[in-house]
Amino acid sequence: QVQLVESGGGVVQPGKSLRLSCAASGVPYGTSDTHWVRQAPGKGLEWVAVLYYYGNKDRYADSVKGRFTISRDNSKNTVYLQMYGLRAEDTAVYYCASPSGYYSPYAFDIWGQGTVVTVSS
Amino acid sequence: QSALTQPASVSGSPGQSITISCTGTGSDVGGYNYVSWYQHHPGRAPKVMIYEVNNRPSGVSNRFSGSKSGNTASLTISGLQAEDEADYYCSSYASGSTEVFGTGTKVTVL
Repeated sequence: QVQLVESGGGVVQPGKSLRLSCAASGVPYGTSDTHWVRQAPGKGLEWVAVLYYYGNKDRYADSVKGRFTISRDNSKNTVYLQMYGLRAEDTAVYYCASPSGYYSPYAFDIWGQGTVVTVSS
Repeated sequence: QSALTQPASVSGSPGQSITISCTGTGSDVGGYNYVSWYQHHPGRAPKVMIYEVNNRPSGVSNRFSGSKSGNTASLTISGLQAEDEADYYCSSYASGSTEVFGTGTKVTVL
């Protein structure tokens, strides 16, 4: 069973950058799409970005487009979320999530435990 | 990319049935049969309860069921139990190869 572990969260000043990592362990994670989902304090879940394995296609929510970049390093079984120009409204728990392949390509049955990003001066 | 609309809260007594709606547009809910429902307890990772509108993953109770009509999807929890108290989110694949979540519904077991 694949497990996802996020890291890289922390406290950062507005305008600064941060890179989150999502490392997969268990079985090889080679062909999975990986999504980032966040939850701001007191708010609901918000889809942030996806990196589709086939075609290496990336897509972003309008709220982060142009500021966040998703990428992967297959040799490390890791997907990254590079965040630039951070704003207070980016403060959230960031989860990476993936479909396992058993159910649906667009249902996330594998989730990490989340990493907290706080944007504050 | 507007969030799908869900009621903020729904409540019911143990044993009752409740239904949570999830309204989108033809570019998401209405355009694809890729609606999922997630149960989220605070401090824990979300758990998928329904995928592709009306399918349950292995291990999810058959008290959970899903449906869709037009631009609105629904999650029904029958035989409500205390352990069902949580936040529930719908999500849908959307045009442009993106995803969108619902606004979330807090389910309270009275």
